[in-house]
Amino acid sequence: AQRVTQPEKLLSVFKGAPVELKCNYSYSGSPELFWYVQYSRQRLQLLLRHISRESIKGFTADLNKGETSFHLKKPFAQEEDSAMYYCALDSGNTGKLIFGQGTTLQVKP
Amino acid sequence: GAGVSQSPSNKVTEKGKDVELRCDPISGHTALYWYRQSLGQGLEFLIYFQGNSAPDKSGLPSDRFSAERTGGSVSTLTIQRTQQEDSAVYLCASSLLPGGSYEQYFGPGTRLTVT
Repeated sequence: AQRVTQPEKLLSVFKGAPVELKCNYSYSGSPELFWYVQYSRQRLQLLLRHISRESIKGFTADLNKGETSFHLKKPFAQEEDSAMYYCALDSGNTGKLIFGQGTTLQVKP
Repeated sequence: GAGVSQSPSNKVTEKGKDVELRCDPISGHTALYWYRQSLGQGLEFLIYFQGNSAPDKSGLPSDRFSAERTGGSVSTLTIQRTQQEDSAVYLCASSLLPGGSYEQYFGPGTRLTVT
């Protein structure tokens, strides 16, 4: 079965500390993976996708097929990074997204 | 330009009533998706449209749920005989074409409360 697991419901760090939000997936094919973010009182929006191999707002994520992971990392957290982060898998390249349960990132001053 | 819009933003209904939720996608976007965001279940896929056709309805929880899309644009999600477990935020998203290569743009959601 296709599944996305985010083991942490809440991650709390101090400003300037490194951040790693964990995501593991199970999928039989070649996965397309994404990170979405929802800031307070804003819409859910795409943060980054693995096929682009880009860095957005200082965040990066590397697909590790051996560990079936797609962890989101940032070397120095900022207060404005506080938000809910969702890891998602595109099932069958249809755009149908399977989401993890989400991790709330809280960056303290 | 205008993003995805949804109406109403909030809906409170009595158990057993029918509700209709509306989604206006970004103009020109052929793919439209419905998701549900609820406590305990997270974000769940419900259905997606390519044009006016729904190739995947696998996420609809029961036959009380239905959706349609007309003119390749507006979509309506209908819930009949609402139950308390239907309470959630219903999100709509659209993309230029279906598939992971195309970014999905989300609407603000409709918060449904069934009393």
